[in-house]
Amino acid sequence: AQSVTQLDSHVSVSEGTPVLLRCNYSSSYSPSLFWYVQHPNKGLQLLLKYTSAATLVKGINGFEAEFKKSETSFHLTKPSAHMSDAAEYFCVVSAMNYGGSQGNLIFGKGTKLSVKP
Amino acid sequence: NAGVTQTPKFQVLKTGQSMTLQCAQDMNHNSMYWYRQDPGMGLRLIYYSASEGTTDKGEVPNGYNVSRLNKREFSLRLESAAPSQTSVYFCASEMAAGNTIYFGEGSWLTVV
Repeated sequence: AQSVTQLDSHVSVSEGTPVLLRCNYSSSYSPSLFWYVQHPNKGLQLLLKYTSAATLVKGINGFEAEFKKSETSFHLTKPSAHMSDAAEYFCVVSAMNYGGSQGNLIFGKGTKLSVKP
Repeated sequence: NAGVTQTPKFQVLKTGQSMTLQCAQDMNHNSMYWYRQDPGMGLRLIYYSASEGTTDKGEVPNGYNVSRLNKREFSLRLESAAPSQTSVYFCASEMAAGNTIYFGEGSWLTVV
């Protein structure tokens, strides 16, 4: 079975400092992995996705994530935080054969990022 | 360029009332999903439809029914609303498993 664990429920950084949001996954085969961002009272927006091409994936707004199979990790990073990055971030794995049928998404519980001036 | 459209955006129901959340996508996607989001729980799958004419239960289907009316539309029905169904509901769609999933803006439902 597939699962996703986001290791921090809340991360606080100062503006201009690096961001690291940690995600570990469990999958019995090579998964598709995603990071989504949700700003307050808004829907979810795709930041980036990994689908077995390059292990370092670049996304929107300066975010990137590295797929490390040996560590079963897919951590999200950004070199310099901006106030507008304050939001909730979800690590997601695409699970094939959920309930024996087509795939669906397994969500982590989210990491709330706060950015201090 | 609408993407995934959900209605209504906000709704307050009394316990025992019924309602239907509507979802439509204009991207010709095969798969559609209904999720609910509760604080500290992430998103949990209620029902999904892998293709037109098929629906399957997700992680938390109790108290809900769905209809895949056609390729574009996937509705979620609460037959007898309960306070435990107070949540934010998201509809989503994708061309096929493993592709990019697109979400609607969410529907805020309160059951009193």
